[in-house]
Amino acid sequence: EVQLVQSGAEVKKPGESLKMSCKVSGYNFGNYWIGWVRQMPGKGLEWMGIIYPRDSDSRYSPSFQGQVTLSVDKSISTAYLQWSSLKASDTAMYYCVTVNGYFNYWSQGTLVTVSS
Amino acid sequence: DIQMTQSPSTLSASVGDRVTITCRASQSISSWLAWYQQKPGRAPKVLIYKASSLESGVPSRFSGSGSGTEFTLTISSLQPDDFATYYCQQYHSLWSFGQGTKVEIK
Repeated sequence: EVQLVQSGAEVKKPGESLKMSCKVSGYNFGNYWIGWVRQMPGKGLEWMGIIYPRDSDSRYSPSFQGQVTLSVDKSISTAYLQWSSLKASDTAMYYCVTVNGYFNYWSQGTLVTVSS
Repeated sequence: DIQMTQSPSTLSASVGDRVTITCRASQSISSWLAWYQQKPGRAPKVLIYKASSLESGVPSRFSGSGSGTEFTLTISSLQPDDFATYYCQQYHSLWSFGQGTKVEIK
């Protein structure tokens, strides 16, 4: 069974950094791109970027280019999404997904709250 | 960027109703379209991919159709478990989602 399990909820202050994780199991981690999706409170879904675990090739949505960084650790089948300096507008739920063209498996999500 | 527009934004319906949601793309995406269902506090779940292919385990009352720029998601007989928000997504050129359609109880 394919599972994507994210790290727990985060409460941060503006300007702080954050690196969240997404641990994958149930398939060969290198076989599929991993994507990230943002959902702001009460709003819709936004694609942020994708990363190919075998070589860390990454593609970013123009809306998120330069705002976040994607990475992976193949040795532990884990993908990461990180910010160097959070803003209040980064408050949202974040999901990691497997990419088979469409997004076929989803994590449970991680809620990030950024507030002073 | 390919823009995806869903209609309606909200739909009120009763159990047993036939429900149709429309999704339009700003340019042709062939059949590279998926539909997702999201319930409050839960992650989205894929229902349909490649415009009309039913994801494994999804009830057959869900169906998708269309190609090019116009697509529909149909629920043939609405069940209590189907009250949720539905999103379309194109994956022809990068990815983008529609704004969502909330299906609520009439």
